Amino acid sequence: QVQLVESGGGVVQPGRSLRLSCVASGFSFSIYGMHWVRQAPGKGLEWVAVIWYDGGNKNYSDPVKGRFTISRDNSKNTVYLQMNSLRAEDMAVYYCARGYGDYPPDHWGQGTLVTVSS
Amino acid sequence: DIQMTQSPSTLSASVGDRVTITCRASQSISRWVAWYQQKPGRAPRLLISKASSLESGVPSRFSGSGSGTEFTLTISSLQPDDFATYYCQQHYRLWTFGQGTKVDIK
Repeated sequence: QVQLVESGGGVVQPGRSLRLSCVASGFSFSIYGMHWVRQAPGKGLEWVAVIWYDGGNKNYSDPVKGRFTISRDNSKNTVYLQMNSLRAEDMAVYYCARGYGDYPPDHWGQGTLVTVSS
Repeated sequence: DIQMTQSPSTLSASVGDRVTITCRASQSISRWVAWYQQKPGRAPRLLISKASSLESGVPSRFSGSGSGTEFTLTISSLQPDDFATYYCQQHYRLWTFGQGTKVDIK
């Protein structure tokens, strides 16, 4: 079955960097787009970034543009989120999710918590 | 950017009630709307895509409708497992979520 397992979350100081990983299994990873979506404590869902199946196209939400970079390694069935210049407002559970083309993400991981605090 | 506005933000209902949640888009998005259910501490679950297409395994008491700028999610007869938070999401241009509707016990 489809599985997505995130890792890399933790406590980080404002202004520092963190890289999240998401390992996929149970489907043909190289034909699917991959998303990152976050959820601040007690808040709603916020779409963060997407990378197309071949890594040739990437899009970001405005709050993270220029600070976050999404990438993927199809040989490792893994998608990454490099987060630089972290701010207090980036504190959230980060989910990776599978998407096909323009369709909505249909399978999600369980999330990894990023805490930004001095 | 396309904004999605959900209403109400909270809805109190009883088992067996018919429940309707509305989502309005800031511009026309054809039928490119999805609906998700999320329970505390869990990842979201995709219920409906393309405004009305039910995902595999989703009970038939869930239905979606709408086009253009106004969309609805309806639960025909609320069950105990349905108490959760529901989000709409547009997938017309990138992806944007509504702010969520919490359905709790009356």
